Amino acid sequence: GAGVSQSPSNKVTEKGKDVELRCDPISGHTALYWYRQSLGQGLEFLIYFQGNSAPDKSGLPSDRFSAERTGGSVSTLTIQRTQQEDSAVYLCASSLVLGRGDEQFFGPGTRLTVL
Amino acid sequence: GDSVTQMEGPVTLSEEAFLTINCTYTATGYPSLFWYVQYPGEGLQLLLKATKADDKGSNKGFEATYRKETTSFHLEKGSVQVSDSAVYFCALSDQGAQKLVFGQGTRLTINP
Repeated sequence: GAGVSQSPSNKVTEKGKDVELRCDPISGHTALYWYRQSLGQGLEFLIYFQGNSAPDKSGLPSDRFSAERTGGSVSTLTIQRTQQEDSAVYLCASSLVLGRGDEQFFGPGTRLTVL
Repeated sequence: GDSVTQMEGPVTLSEEAFLTINCTYTATGYPSLFWYVQYPGEGLQLLLKATKADDKGSNKGFEATYRKETTSFHLEKGSVQVSDSAVYFCALSDQGAQKLVFGQGTRLTINP
């Protein structure tokens, strides 16, 4: 079946603009995660959704970052007033939540470049 | 907080060489441990996992054993191939938490 998809694949924006990144998880996966992959910081967790609620937002780096999930499916990560340090690859993952060691399936990522 | 420390890269080996990539972790509970791999131009994918002490995860000739006493989950392969060239990430998810905490990644290049 289809994997996790993300759009756009690449986004170039100017400092100070807002951007929206989209994630379509695998159908039926109740859990959805956002991570960020950057040269300086490696792979960092941003936020976790179970259904439409976000029990763990601990990784969001500032209040410029927000995310929502609707219908237990698609999620949007929004970055307001982008800064150059926001440049990174933003990865989305989804999983079934059955117990310990659930495999997370990753999308191809959105490469964000802030000029 | 939880953390994962991986062997510094990059690592370059010849085909058929033995591979070890070291991984140690710090966690407050009893984590599940993972190795993820990112092949050139592809997304992250799970290579293997172990959910409790002394479990051995294995896949595609790779193995890793969950060692609670040394808080380690080293990745090994007896004979690497050019197609194993990729970036390897060690990760954990702690008991009760769903998020993955990743190591910094190790870039592996296998020369023919």
